[in-house]
Amino acid sequence: SQELEQSPQSLIVQEGKNLTINCTSSKTLYGLYWYKQKYGEGLIFLMMLQKGGEEKSHEKITAKLDEKKQQSSLHITASQPSHAGIYLCGADGGGGATNKLIFGTGTLLAVQP
Amino acid sequence: DGGITQSPKYLFRKEGQNVTLSCEQNLNHDAMYWYRQDPGQGLRLIYYSQIVNDFQKGDIAEGYSVSREKKESFPLTVTSAQKNPTAFYLCASSTLRAQNTEAFFGQGTRLTVV
Repeated sequence: SQELEQSPQSLIVQEGKNLTINCTSSKTLYGLYWYKQKYGEGLIFLMMLQKGGEEKSHEKITAKLDEKKQQSSLHITASQPSHAGIYLCGADGGGGATNKLIFGTGTLLAVQP
Repeated sequence: DGGITQSPKYLFRKEGQNVTLSCEQNLNHDAMYWYRQDPGQGLRLIYYSQIVNDFQKGDIAEGYSVSREKKESFPLTVTSAQKNPTAFYLCASSTLRAQNTEAFFGQGTRLTVV
């Protein structure tokens, strides 16, 4: 079955710095989702990528899916304390439209003022 | 307002007892999911359902059971067979994956075994 590995596992950055979180899949991705979670709460949808080479941005967050559709990156520009939380990538665990939605290991981000 | 609701927010269970976590959605979604999250870790899939009266095991189904008698509801029972049930449990729903839309999450239930 498909597995998603995220790196780094945790990250501490100073406010204003840029950062990148990576998500690597063991199989080709047929849709890659990025979510953010605050401690003890549900997940908030950030964006979805489907096509190889696709890139999407929302405010200061940019996500990319590589051409081979096995790796995605999430880049935050000029980080702020409001960006702190756990970032999770998700995808279909069956390698296609099987509805088995799985998630990566998560990246815990702390932003120091 | 449409959404997905989990209850209760906090739950305490004595060892050896079964306990049921509620998940209700009014988004008319076909698919529903249950995940477990341990401190500092990602989400692990327990069970998922694509249609009423049908569900599939996820990666860590042992010690858990579910039912899907109604489209809106997908309760999770944590049985006494689950050896380490203390965790944060998240429920989600979505349209069927072929339509590639995002999943919506509840606010979670924190279960503690005392």
